[in-house]
Amino acid sequence: DVQLVESGGGVVQPGGSLRLSCETSGFTFSDYWMSWVRQAPGKGLEWVANIRNDEREKYYHRGFAQGRFTISRDNAKSSLFLQMNGVRGDDTAVYFCTRDQRSIGLPHAFWGQGTLVTV
Amino acid sequence: SYMLSQPPSVSVAPGQTARVTCRGDNFERKSVYWYRQRPGQAPVWVLSYENDRPPGIPDRFSASKSGDTATLTITRVEAGDEADYYCQVWDNSGDALSVFGTGTKVTV
Repeated sequence: DVQLVESGGGVVQPGGSLRLSCETSGFTFSDYWMSWVRQAPGKGLEWVANIRNDEREKYYHRGFAQGRFTISRDNAKSSLFLQMNGVRGDDTAVYFCTRDQRSIGLPHAFWGQGTLVTV
Repeated sequence: SYMLSQPPSVSVAPGQTARVTCRGDNFERKSVYWYRQRPGQAPVWVLSYENDRPPGIPDRFSASKSGDTATLTITRVEAGDEADYYCQVWDNSGDALSVFGTGTKVTV
């Protein structure tokens, strides 16, 4: 079974940094695009960033993630990361890791349970 | 930025049919995906516009699209269908590559 387990969330002061991790299992991690999606308390889903299987393409939400957040992955450890710098109050959210597909433009097929970041 | 609009809520009696709409521009060129989020849980992909569904999602769930509106239809609604439903597309015209709808709370 596909499993995604996020960690690294917590309470952080405005302007601080946090590194989120997503450990995966049950599929060949190096074959798939991966994304981070967040959900502020009581609000809807908001895409944050995604990364190609070989890291050659990375995309960020230009409204809030570009320049502050960095997505990366370690295919040898089947893990996805999100480095968050200069955090703000409106970054408070549950951050979900998603396993997408082999090509971009297809559904966010599997989701982790999320990790809560409180700024 | 590209936006997808959904009604905030839909109420349906058990056994009846629920329809959740999602409006956006240029839908004819886009594949629309649907997700269900039960209270306190992570979202789950339930359906693609082409009616591809992952294992475990019953065929009571179906999708359609006409003009600028995509629709998720749930027939023979059950209590377990009560959840928030989100549509989603990929778009490179705005700030976000993946865009989610505003979400619809389906109350049974």
